[in-house]
Amino acid sequence: DAGITQSPRHKVTETGTPVTLRCHQTENHRYMYWYRQDPGHGLRLIHYSYGVKDTDKGEVSDGYSVSRSKTEDFLLTLESATSSQTSVYFCAGGFAGEAGHEQYFGPGTRLTVT
Amino acid sequence: AQSVTQLGSHVSVSEGALVLLRCNYSSSVPPYLFWYVQYPNQGLQLLLKYTSAATLVKGINGFEAEFKKSETSFHLTKPSAHMSDAAEYFCAVRNTGFQKLVFGTGTRLLVSP
Repeated sequence: DAGITQSPRHKVTETGTPVTLRCHQTENHRYMYWYRQDPGHGLRLIHYSYGVKDTDKGEVSDGYSVSRSKTEDFLLTLESATSSQTSVYFCAGGFAGEAGHEQYFGPGTRLTVT
Repeated sequence: AQSVTQLGSHVSVSEGALVLLRCNYSSSVPPYLFWYVQYPNQGLQLLLKYTSAATLVKGINGFEAEFKKSETSFHLTKPSAHMSDAAEYFCAVRNTGFQKLVFGTGTRLLVSP
């Protein structure tokens, strides 16, 4: 979805360094999500946000933090990167309401931790 | 907690053959169910969704899925595969209590000429 962009698209970093991935949306999604995708695991939720400054943990949140200071931007920070955090990271957005609530995905960020 | 199971990490078909990708869900309440497709080096794109309005759901690119409560299934089908259908497909269920999706592990569809 062109309404959700992620930066950078690719990053290589060293173990122990902090890393921040950015998600920017222009669709006025209330909800935003960060997932990681790994072979054999599908997509796993790291953190999500249900409004500005309102965030909560997903199933694989250890080692990650998020911030959302405005509707458009949702940042994911790896506090001290480890090799196990090598993955493809996807941001997604969603609207409020009960009608199915699909999510709209960004193009992903491929992160390699050496 | 809700979950989905996708049977088969890889499915191979010939061009023109029927495509059948299997998804079974676990839910204590009526679920919302989704199929997403991911082409190489891209994000996920919604194929179709079940929201209880109709048990047979038609999506984009000729795909459809049927919700079968008695079998707790939501299998994805397409009558005739195209080379362009080669991708990874994810089934997802909406979790209870909040606006979260739970994804299956994915099925990679391979289409041969």
